[in-house]
Amino acid sequence: QSVLTQPPSASGAPGQRVTISCSGGKSNIEIHTVNWYQQVPGTAPKLLIYRTHLRPSGVPDRFSGSKSGTSASLAISGLQSEDEAHYYCASWDDKMNVVFGGGTQLTVL
Amino acid sequence: QVLLQVSGPGLVKPSETLSLTCSVSGGSIRSNDYYWGWIRQPPGKELEWIGSIFNTGSTYDNPSLRSRFTISVDTSKNQFSLKLRSVTAADTAVYYCARNAYESSGYAMNWFDVWGQGILVTVSS
Repeated sequence: QSVLTQPPSASGAPGQRVTISCSGGKSNIEIHTVNWYQQVPGTAPKLLIYRTHLRPSGVPDRFSGSKSGTSASLAISGLQSEDEAHYYCASWDDKMNVVFGGGTQLTVL
Repeated sequence: QVLLQVSGPGLVKPSETLSLTCSVSGGSIRSNDYYWGWIRQPPGKELEWIGSIFNTGSTYDNPSLRSRFTISVDTSKNQFSLKLRSVTAADTAVYYCARNAYESSGYAMNWFDVWGQGILVTVSS
């Protein structure tokens, strides 16, 4: 059971906007920043969003992050077939240190 | 461009000790801007952070795994290592090493910005 809860799956058609949620608690998301990673099957994860809303160089601005209270969200606009992957949220937890969400598999219809 | 390369055995017998090494190239492990971390992923499952180490040897680790893991750093070789004792089938996973950036205000604000390719370690007799 992951400390951070994500929906197991999400989907959208090309060009649409999709949001993936990450639910945590008072000891993690509410008081700490959130990171998001993208993982294409068979490859290493790639940093997508850090410090809740910042994008590393090279990540398109179609990807955006936010949080409110004990939940965080990753939004992907202008969905493309190459966005099909697993997405993981992560944060610091005051009891468990670094924690990851269970992951969300995004399907582009 | 920083690259991380994991090396170690792909097959380990139950009850033995797994040893993995991550070699860093294109950057110095002595940099004070980064910790260096280990993350694993059982087949078909989510990511699990194991722990991270600074160039001084200072570590942060996963409390639920602490008793069996040891992370060390060798700045002369630009490498850091992971040892896992008394392995079982539940330790079968892809093991990743990663560069662990953090904010100077505190390690709690940290993220993994460069990842190695990962190595599948299978525990089986």
